[in-house]
Formats: sequence, structure tokens, C-alpha cells
Amino acid sequence: GAGVSQSPSNKVTEKGKDVELRCDPISGHTALYWYRQSLGQGLEFLIYFQGNSAPDKSGLPSDRFSAERTGGSVSTLTIQRTQQEDSAVYLCASSLDKDQPQHFGDGTRLSIL
Amino acid sequence: GDSVTQMEGPVTLSEEAFLTINCTYTATGYPSLFWYVQYPGEGLQLLLKATKADDKGSNKGFEATYRKETTSFHLEKGSVQVSDSAVYFCALSGYGNFNKFYFGSGTKLNVKP
Repeated sequence: GAGVSQSPSNKVTEKGKDVELRCDPISGHTALYWYRQSLGQGLEFLIYFQGNSAPDKSGLPSDRFSAERTGGSVSTLTIQRTQQEDSAVYLCASSLDKDQPQHFGDGTRLSIL
Repeated sequence: GDSVTQMEGPVTLSEEAFLTINCTYTATGYPSLFWYVQYPGEGLQLLLKATKADDKGSNKGFEATYRKETTSFHLEKGSVQVSDSAVYFCALSGYGNFNKFYFGSGTKLNVKP
């Protein structure tokens, strides 16, 4: 498809396990964003990539969170030692460049038991 | 720091009613302003944007004007339809700092036939 693709669409895991979320942006989009949407909350910005580099990682909520992007395309968001408060929908977006409108994926719904 | 505040929902209207969803912002410099929409069961998508003061963004009958004097970007539509039922997010990207987007908490709109 032509849109932003995220996988898995749903993930249920036990507290303390590590999880990896994947985002496949629109081809040719250099900017990629990760957000988190908790129940009843607005979108929380996590991290932004321009190409393969992330100029600002300050939005990541703790050192259990990390993200990488290789080849200027696919990005993975990894959460180590998951906690219940990590339960949320994780959204990925991409744009042609950093100042262009973002196109969002459908998100990964993460549930920590 | 930069932030966005939008009116809490849900907002319930009858079909063909006039819609206003208020959005105000706090930012240094001259941010770009956006409205995103999330239809039931779908991902976020850009509805409209404005990049400088007095600009009016418009799409699908929706309009919003970038008012620097009142730091507002209220969303309006003259006659809503049932198909407009969705969650609407106001957002800004920082002036000279497109690393981060700031989103409001979202306003759910219910349009009754």
C-alpha cells in the first residue's frame, strides 16, 4: 500500500517483557515521527528522525525506550522491561520533509498485563 | 514551552448545525498550525493547516484562521454532516524547530441525523 504501515496492529504482553514496534513509512519520506496516545490523553510526541538520525530524543519517557531507523526507511521502537503504564496506542507518522504535513499509520495497540 | 489547548468534548450537534472547536496555543516565534482528524477505526489524517498569521486553512468545508493576536486557530464548519463525526486534534510545530509537534487532547464530535 501507499500509506504508513505499522506492525503489529495489536500486541499483548506480560509486564517485564521487551517489545518491538515497527513502522514502515511512505517511500521517499525523509522525516519519521513516533507518538504515543494513552487512554483519554492527547498525542504525546516521542521521537523524530530525519533520515537515520534522531536530533532530539528528549521526548522518550524513560531509558527503557529506544528507537532506531536504518536505511532512511523502516523504524523500530523498542520498549524494554515493559510496565503497565506503557499500555497505549503507539502511532508512527512520516512526511516528505520535516516541515511537511505528516501522514499517520493506524498505530499499534500495546497492552501490558 | 510550546503547547496547545483545545476545548474538551464530546461535542454533540444535529446535522446541518454550525460547528466551532476552539484551539489556542502557546509558542515562541511563529509556529505552523494544523488540524488533524481521526475517523472511527482509522488513523489520523491532516485536515488543514496554516503556516503564518492571518492564513486561512480550508478543506472539506472546514476552515480555521491563524490569529496571532489571540493565539488561536479555531476550527469551523457551517453545516456539519453525520460523516463528520470523528475526533479532531489541533496541533502546532515549533518555529524553526520542526523536531517536535505538539497536539491538543482531541475533541470528539458526534453529529446526530
